Amino acid sequence: DQQVKQNSPSLSVQEGRISILNCDYTNSMFDYFLWYKKYPAEGPTFLISISSIKDKNEDGRFTVFLNKSAKHLSLHIVPSQPGDSAVYFCAASRLYSGGSNYKLTFGKGTLLTVNP
Amino acid sequence: KAGVTQTPRYLIKTRGQQVTLSCSPISGHRSVSWYQQTPGQGLQFLFEYFSETQRNKGNFPGRFSGRQFSNSRSEMNVSTLELGDSALYLCASSFIRQGQFSYEQYFGPGTRLTVT
Repeated sequence: DQQVKQNSPSLSVQEGRISILNCDYTNSMFDYFLWYKKYPAEGPTFLISISSIKDKNEDGRFTVFLNKSAKHLSLHIVPSQPGDSAVYFCAASRLYSGGSNYKLTFGKGTLLTVNP
Repeated sequence: KAGVTQTPRYLIKTRGQQVTLSCSPISGHRSVSWYQQTPGQGLQFLFEYFSETQRNKGNFPGRFSGRQFSNSRSEMNVSTLELGDSALYLCASSFIRQGQFSYEQYFGPGTRLTVT
């Protein structure tokens, strides 16, 4: 049972336009969400996160939106650049009592291609 | 600050053998997690260690084990290798502050294991 789903395996956008990557989750206990970017032959790199008490978090060109009622989050990249071409993973976590006992549940990723 | 390092980067083993992978976290990070990445399943959580204790374990058979040393370095071991164990094994570390916690995990480049 996949608790974090990224239904689009790939997305292609033009340089300068907006990229929107989507993620759905089924476990209502998840309360912290992260996006990672992964280039071939490298480990995932943390991009941006959001906790369930917020519905939006912004960091430069990257904005994450969270819709708890729909169990949906999205990552917006504006403007998109060719260097953004990579696989993007959505990840979710539960808040365990004790503060630091956690794991990340990942989606299967979306390959973003930004065309010059 | 040096990032997460993993050794070896590439490994070829035959069925039935065992393998040990090593991970050195970012200096000061005490939490180390391991993930398996395969094309079909994406990133799947294996286990997490903090202060030499395994606190969380994913749904993997007992052939997968790990440990953490007093300097926070970690190893994972897979015994009786199967063809399906061929994957990229990723290690991630996190900095845990007293009274706060960060869900942000910093990944190493991974060890590519091929079982023939």
